[in-house]
Amino acid sequence: DAKTTQPTSMDCAEGRAANLPCNHSTISGNEYVYWYRQIHSQGPQYIIHGLKNNETNEMASLIITEDRKSSTLILPHATLRDTAVYYCIVRAPRWQAGTALIFGKGTTLSVSS
Amino acid sequence: DARVTQTPRHKVTEMGQEVTMRCQPILGHNTVFWYRQTMMQGLELLAYFRNRAPLDDSGMPKDRFSAEMPDATLATLKIQPSEPRDSAVYFCASGPLGDREETQYFGPGTRLLVL
Repeated sequence: DAKTTQPTSMDCAEGRAANLPCNHSTISGNEYVYWYRQIHSQGPQYIIHGLKNNETNEMASLIITEDRKSSTLILPHATLRDTAVYYCIVRAPRWQAGTALIFGKGTTLSVSS
Repeated sequence: DARVTQTPRHKVTEMGQEVTMRCQPILGHNTVFWYRQTMMQGLELLAYFRNRAPLDDSGMPKDRFSAEMPDATLATLKIQPSEPRDSAVYFCASGPLGDREETQYFGPGTRLLVL
């Protein structure tokens, strides 16, 4: 079972920031938070991941609460091409058993002009 | 821009026929994963390999599915015999070892329709 809870869908206006929340209240101390997205008819695409600290890359920012029970993915300036299903996933490091990704239902983000 | 490649991209076959899907992981990646996606079940892990050795194939129907890595540049997923319920999109993903977090990079998928 997925260890995360995400809203089913969200809307965002083009050019605005998209803030996608994720709850992972049972996360263990060594589990990472990953975000992937899947644009229609394509394979999932890695976005960003983090353990404790906030992270930023060219695609997005990841804000993890201090207690690590929730996180937010931020797309600073959403475009129409960001319309996709966004998956929040928690997983252990590779040296532990069961390190494959377990996908939940994700959040369908719709960006409109 | 290194990518995971999968062939064929589309496959239509009749029930009972053998289906072979191929995946070329990103050069240098040591882990390979097979996933299946359907509308009802979403994305499910079928099997994964590390350094060509199978680590977990508990998600695969053992009687008809098999996954192998003949060499480091090729992973295969076979279904024999195929059934209509196998209709789905099959994704391959690869990741680098030595990367603590083992990020996975997905291919474009093989869309399988079994009639």
